[in-house]
Amino acid sequence: DTGVSQNPRHKITKRGQNVTFRCDPISEHNRLYWYRQTLGQGPEFLTYFQNEAQLEKSRLLSDRFSAERPKGSFSTLEIQRTEQGDSAMYLCASTSTGNSEIGYTFGSGTRLTVV
Amino acid sequence: GQNIDQPTEMTATEGAIVQINCTYQTSGFNGLFWYQQHAGEAPTFLSYNVLDGLEEKGRFSSFLSRSKGYSYLLLKELQMKDSASYLCADNTGKLIFGQGTTLQVKP
Repeated sequence: DTGVSQNPRHKITKRGQNVTFRCDPISEHNRLYWYRQTLGQGPEFLTYFQNEAQLEKSRLLSDRFSAERPKGSFSTLEIQRTEQGDSAMYLCASTSTGNSEIGYTFGSGTRLTVV
Repeated sequence: GQNIDQPTEMTATEGAIVQINCTYQTSGFNGLFWYQQHAGEAPTFLSYNVLDGLEEKGRFSSFLSRSKGYSYLLLKELQMKDSASYLCADNTGKLIFGQGTTLQVKP
């Protein structure tokens, strides 16, 4: 297993465009998380899935944001009508329930720049 | 509520010991994590405390006091490569992070 994989690594888009990011978690992990991180801040929780079910969404997640995990494996995060304030690093993490001591494994992130 | 506080920046000398503190006020607490994050990279897992006391892993140790809502990360024999951001996070079914402490190690 190569860990948590995120694509693309970088994305530059014009304001108003839609973007979609993909996350492939560690295969045996049933929980998948999305975070957003801006410079000098810790990661902010956006949403998480257990298998294919989306269990929680942060109030930070406006209606322009949607996430899916259709088969309980990879996940996508879509941002519609992007705004400059959406520019950030979007991180994905995965873990297994009942194994908190192993930690959450993070991907390298997708850096979004909205121009 | 969930409110995690840690210092924004710290500076230490190579070879020295540094302690990074973290306080939290959470409901549904289920353990406290420390992560290391180098600039432009993903956070990497350092330690996890769910019971009170000290957990030691080589040069890094982490301490937890649940009654005080307090944790610290202790880094010994500092190396230049330890210059990074250190993130405290509590686990309530998801990780809630503090703002991170940027540690600069100087020669």
